Order: sequence, then C-alpha cells, then structure tokens
Amino acid sequence: GAVVSQHPSRVICKSGTSVKIECRSLDFQATTMFWYRQFPKQSLMLMATSNEGSKATYEQGVEKDKFLINHASLTLSTLTVTSAHPEDSSFYICSARARDSTIMNTEAFFGQGTRLTVV
Amino acid sequence: SQKIEQNSEALNIQEGKTATLTCNYTNYSPAYLQWYRQDPGRGPVFLLLIRENEKEKRKERLKVTFDTTLKQSLFHITASQPADSATYLCALGAEGGKLIFGQGTELSVKP
Repeated sequence: GAVVSQHPSRVICKSGTSVKIECRSLDFQATTMFWYRQFPKQSLMLMATSNEGSKATYEQGVEKDKFLINHASLTLSTLTVTSAHPEDSSFYICSARARDSTIMNTEAFFGQGTRLTVV
Repeated sequence: SQKIEQNSEALNIQEGKTATLTCNYTNYSPAYLQWYRQDPGRGPVFLLLIRENEKEKRKERLKVTFDTTLKQSLFHITASQPADSATYLCALGAEGGKLIFGQGTELSVKP
C-alpha cells in the first residue's frame, strides 16, 4: 500500500517555542492531507484539511493561528504548533488521500504519528 | 450532532474465538464506513471499507457488516490470535474525504 511518512516521531519542546511536524507521501501524490490530534484513550479528532496550493480548512474550535498548516507540494504538508503550551501535548497524526482516488473507493493512508510533549 | 460509539469497554477473548466489535452512529447517513487497526504509539492502518449499499464485506479472517437501518456496523475477527490484540477504530466517511472516528475498542486476545 501507499506510504505516508511523518517526522519526527517524538519531540519534546519547551513551553513557548514552536514545533514543526512534516507529513510526506512517499510513493504517490496527495492533493489532500488531513491533520488529526489524539489524546490518550480517545478518538482521532480532525483538526484541519490541507489542500495543495491553497489555505487549509480548520475544524470548529481549532485555532488557525496556533496550528499553522502548509501544503506547498503534492507530497508534503507541514503542521507547526506555535507558542506551544503543555495542553498542546498530544499525539498528532496526518493522513493523505491519493490524487487520483475517488472518495468512495480509497482508504486514507496514515503517518506513524508524532508524540509531542511540551514541558 | 453526529455521534459515533464503539464498544465502550475493552474486549478480552480467548485465542481461537471470534471477536465482535460494534460501531453505532446517530444523526448521520454515511456513504461508507471504514475500519482501522491502531497499535500503541502508531498511526491507524486501514482494514476494510464497506459502502452504504453493501451488507457485508470479507477479507481473510475479517468480516464487516453495515446496517443503515440500525445505523450500526459489526466487525468480526474469526479464529482470533494474540497478534490481533490492538485498538480497532471505525470511521464514517464525510464530505470532502474527511473521516469521523469512533473512540476505538481495545481488543486483547489471550493465548
């Protein structure tokens, strides 16, 4: 199956600093990438939808100025957590949908996730 | 608002038995539903997709049913193995390719 690579897998940062997480589709072009956040024992919560070459669409309650998303190419999307606080500590996961897929027939391919700890 | 509920408790079964996981949803009519497996500290891995006009889908030891009247999907693992131990997530297809996830059911298969 298609491979989505997410980096870094773990990061610890100080409160007030910014952290960038990368999501790459390795063997396919992804026009759309999705960013999720998952707290322990809870569901994946969609944060935003990222479309190549355009602004991301954020879900209700997600601060766009805090979670900056850039989808500059068909194989790379980045999520930057700005001015991180301890409550931003979570598991962040990206997924990508292939360029030629139809919504009905293609599963989402997920990255391996990034464990962010803000101290 | 849309709501998805999976087995609220962790599921513990004996090796060789069939595991049955439940996914119920309200206030929504998804065109398709997917099941994923998630291991600790990892991203979800796709298992099966079933469309609204399909009643049942099979893949090796896995079987998924989809009842749009009951608004329920059942996920079965037959001849379960300890390696099947993981959290299983159901996800409803939403507009724009989005997925709405349930909270997951943690399955533990004991040898």
